[in-house]
Amino acid sequence: EAGVAQSPRYKIIEKRQSVAFWCNPISGHATLYWYQQILGQGPKLLIQFQNNGVVDDSQLPKDRFSAERLKGVDSTLKIQPAKLEDSAVYLCASSLTLKETQYFGPGTRLLVL
Amino acid sequence: QKEVEQDPGPLSVPEGAIVSLNCTYSNSAFQYFMWYRQYSRKGPELLMYTYSSGNKEDGRFTAQVDKSSKYISLFIRDSQPSDSATYLCAIPDPNGTDKLIFGTGTRLQVFP
Repeated sequence: EAGVAQSPRYKIIEKRQSVAFWCNPISGHATLYWYQQILGQGPKLLIQFQNNGVVDDSQLPKDRFSAERLKGVDSTLKIQPAKLEDSAVYLCASSLTLKETQYFGPGTRLLVL
Repeated sequence: QKEVEQDPGPLSVPEGAIVSLNCTYSNSAFQYFMWYRQYSRKGPELLMYTYSSGNKEDGRFTAQVDKSSKYISLFIRDSQPSDSATYLCAIPDPNGTDKLIFGTGTRLQVFP
């Protein structure tokens, strides 16, 4: 079974630029999560989808971050404009449905200069 | 006070040592508890989970929960260099959604 795929693996941008990350969850998984992991910290949930609906986006900085999962499969996370403090690893995870085991992708490492 | 606290380490031990990794939590409503392992430049992977107080064993790994003290532990017996990773405790938020609340992670290095 293929795991959660993410791209790109690394991205370097300057502050105020825009960036987008892509996630392809495990086939058949209805729930998809985006986490932010700042260096030396544990992952923090940004947004959670059940199929193409948002379950929880309470910790998403909505003035600059947006995410979508239009067809209930792949998802994109966008930052516009980026700030220095957005430098982090952005992890995508998926689960069969709510309250099931979450499987993580390898993450996208973002550096904002 | 953070909901989940974990000593970031790093912890460096010789091969074969017994390792103890710990977390404390503040919310008595938390019902079950997980340990994730994260290798460098990889995503976290679920190692163990437990619902109740007491011990749960899986091979060289033992998860322990003390709900009265709000304290969870992961023990690794006969540690191996391949165990070198960051270990994250994670607790599902009991308030409706199942988002995971992670500790900061403890970086473990097992040297030969």
